[in-house]
Amino acid sequence: EAGVTQFPSHSVIEKGQTVTLRCDPISGHDNLYWYRRVMGKEIKFLLHFVKESKQDESGMPNNRFLAERTGGTYSTLKVQPAELEDSGVYFCASSQETGIHTEAFFGQGTRLTVV
Amino acid sequence: DAKTTQPTSMDCAEGRAANLPCNHSTISGNEYVYWYRQIHSQGPQYIIHGLKNNETNEMASLIITEDRKSSTLILPHATLRDTAVYYCIVDLYNFNKFYFGSGTKLNVKP
Repeated sequence: EAGVTQFPSHSVIEKGQTVTLRCDPISGHDNLYWYRRVMGKEIKFLLHFVKESKQDESGMPNNRFLAERTGGTYSTLKVQPAELEDSGVYFCASSQETGIHTEAFFGQGTRLTVV
Repeated sequence: DAKTTQPTSMDCAEGRAANLPCNHSTISGNEYVYWYRQIHSQGPQYIIHGLKNNETNEMASLIITEDRKSSTLILPHATLRDTAVYYCIVDLYNFNKFYFGSGTKLNVKP
């Protein structure tokens, strides 16, 4: 079974440019989450999708970040325009919607560097 | 935001049991305790979770005190590949909206 896949693994962009990160969750997982670790700090929650709907986006830092999950399959996280402080590792995770507590599976992350 | 307290780092000899403590004195009755780890720069990896009973799987055992204010993750026979940052997390909503905190850096030494 394929795990959570994230593309690209690394991205280096200039300040002011746009970057789109992609996450393919495990097939059949309705829950999809985005997290990030910036500047060596702790891993922080960004948002949560249930299928194509945003369940919780309280962790999104500002309106330069836009997450989508059209069709309830893969998700994209767009940063526009990117700033230096956006540099870090962006993780995606997915889990089943079972009604009981279950584990989330994380991808390997996308390392974003804004120069 | 912090709901758990963990030691910053711990050492363990290879082949020995690694016991990682976690305090969660403000845990509520319906919050679960989860353990994840992050090896080097990889994504966090699920280890185990529990509500109030002790749990065991192929990776580890989770011991939760009767008052649920603390827990211990046990890796029965630590290997060098278990060197990682271990995160103890309490989760209320079953939404995996985790607060990771700083975790415990476990160093397994030969």
